[in-house]
Amino acid sequence: DADVTQTPRNRITKTGKRIMLECSQTKGHDRMYWYRQDPGLGLRLIYYSFDVKDINKGEISDGYSVSRQAQAKFSLSLESAIPNQTALYFCATAGTPNTGELFFGEGSRLTVL
Amino acid sequence: QQQVKQSPQSLIVQKGGISIINCAYENTAFDYFPWYQQFPGKGPALLIAIRPDVSEKKEGRFTISFNKSAKQFSLHIMDSQPGDSATYFCAASKGGTGFQKLVFGTGTRLLVSP
Repeated sequence: DADVTQTPRNRITKTGKRIMLECSQTKGHDRMYWYRQDPGLGLRLIYYSFDVKDINKGEISDGYSVSRQAQAKFSLSLESAIPNQTALYFCATAGTPNTGELFFGEGSRLTVL
Repeated sequence: QQQVKQSPQSLIVQKGGISIINCAYENTAFDYFPWYQQFPGKGPALLIAIRPDVSEKKEGRFTISFNKSAKQFSLHIMDSQPGDSATYFCAASKGGTGFQKLVFGTGTRLLVSP
């Protein structure tokens, strides 16, 4: 089983719908991240969290929200999806103390029509 | 604003050749520079990383060259193999390996032809 699990792996939705992408991890890491991947733009940080009570905005947080329900769970929500949020979304974790390595899930591909 | 600029966007190399991917950064506070490798349908995975106190780090066929004065670093893949075909991302952060967040380059899609 994967250490960092993302659900759903693929989702097609319509403009204006609320969408939640979920991430769970069995690595026991404190730090969790949500990145977005677009062709030609690389990976951009949306939100990150160092523990349940700590949530931080990344470089492209507008239009997104997150919830850290437990140490092992970090969810990304799109309250009202729009077509330019069509992308591949990755959850990642890092331990404390950080060894310098991010551990990524396999991604959630979201299409907004 | 792209804090880490990566080139080329795509690269085709023959089997046995050398693949070279370049990155440049602006923020002199960056002190940790990893490279991630991503295969289709998978998440990125750490390949190799360097701190600015050394100019080169080698792990097997993969080498990072670092030029602090030019604010540039590059990944060299020696004896490139078809199994190396993947997307490669450079990245940078402040705080060494204890970083809070990584800033990624735009990615290079490498294809190694048989």
